[in-house]
Amino acid sequence: DGGITQSPKYLFRKEGQNVTLSCEQNLNHDAMYWYRQDPGQGLRLIYYSQIVNDFQKGDIAEGYSVSREKKESFPLTVTSAQKNPTAFYLCASSILRDDQPQHFGDGTRLSIL
Amino acid sequence: GNSVTQMEGPVTLSEEAFLTINCTYTATGYPSLFWYVQYPGEGLQLLLKATKADDKGSNKGFEATYRKETTSFHLEKGSVQVSDSAVYFCALSDHGWTGTASKLTFGTGTRLQVTL
Repeated sequence: DGGITQSPKYLFRKEGQNVTLSCEQNLNHDAMYWYRQDPGQGLRLIYYSQIVNDFQKGDIAEGYSVSREKKESFPLTVTSAQKNPTAFYLCASSILRDDQPQHFGDGTRLSIL
Repeated sequence: GNSVTQMEGPVTLSEEAFLTINCTYTATGYPSLFWYVQYPGEGLQLLLKATKADDKGSNKGFEATYRKETTSFHLEKGSVQVSDSAVYFCALSDHGWTGTASKLTFGTGTRLQVTL
C-alpha cells in the first residue's frame, strides 16, 4: 500500500540536543511538507519542498531544518534553538496541484525530558 | 493573508443526531477547500473536498458545499455515529499554478463527541 511513514512515533529530547524526525513516502509525490500541531490549535507549516534539493520556509521555520536529498524522504531536524519543541509533528505529501489533497503520516510526538 | 475560522468545540451529540460544523474562510482568489478528520493519536485523513464555487463534496455521509457568496464550507451529516467521534479540520489551499506546491491554511479544529 502506498503511504507516508513517520518514525519514531514518540521521541524525547534532552536540553541542548538536536533530534531528527523521519518521513518517507512511496506515493511518488513531488511535494512534501512538515507541520506542527499544538493542543487547541490548527496545523502550522514549518517547511515544504517541491523538488529534490530545494525547500522553502513555512510560517514557523525558526529552530528547524530540513533536507530533501531523495524524492521519497524529507527529514526534519528540531535543533536546540527551538525553545518550545514539545508538539505533535505531521509530515504530508502531495502532487503539484492546488486542488489535490495532501496525504498525511501518523505523526511523531516530541517531548522534552 | 488567508485564514480559516471554525466553530469552537467540543460538540457533543447523541447518536443519530444531525451534525453541522461551521467553517468560514478569507482568501484571495478561488481557493480549494477541504475537510480533514483526525482520530486520536493519528494523522489527518481527507474527508472531502470542493474545488470551485457551488461544488458539493461528500464522503461517508458527510457533505459540504463551497459557498463563495458567504465564504463558507460548513460540514454536515444527517445522522452521526459513535465512530464519528474525532477532530475535524477545515482547510483551504492557495490557488497556485499547476506545478507548484500548494500550502494549506487550517482552522483550529472542532472536536466531535458522539454518545449512545
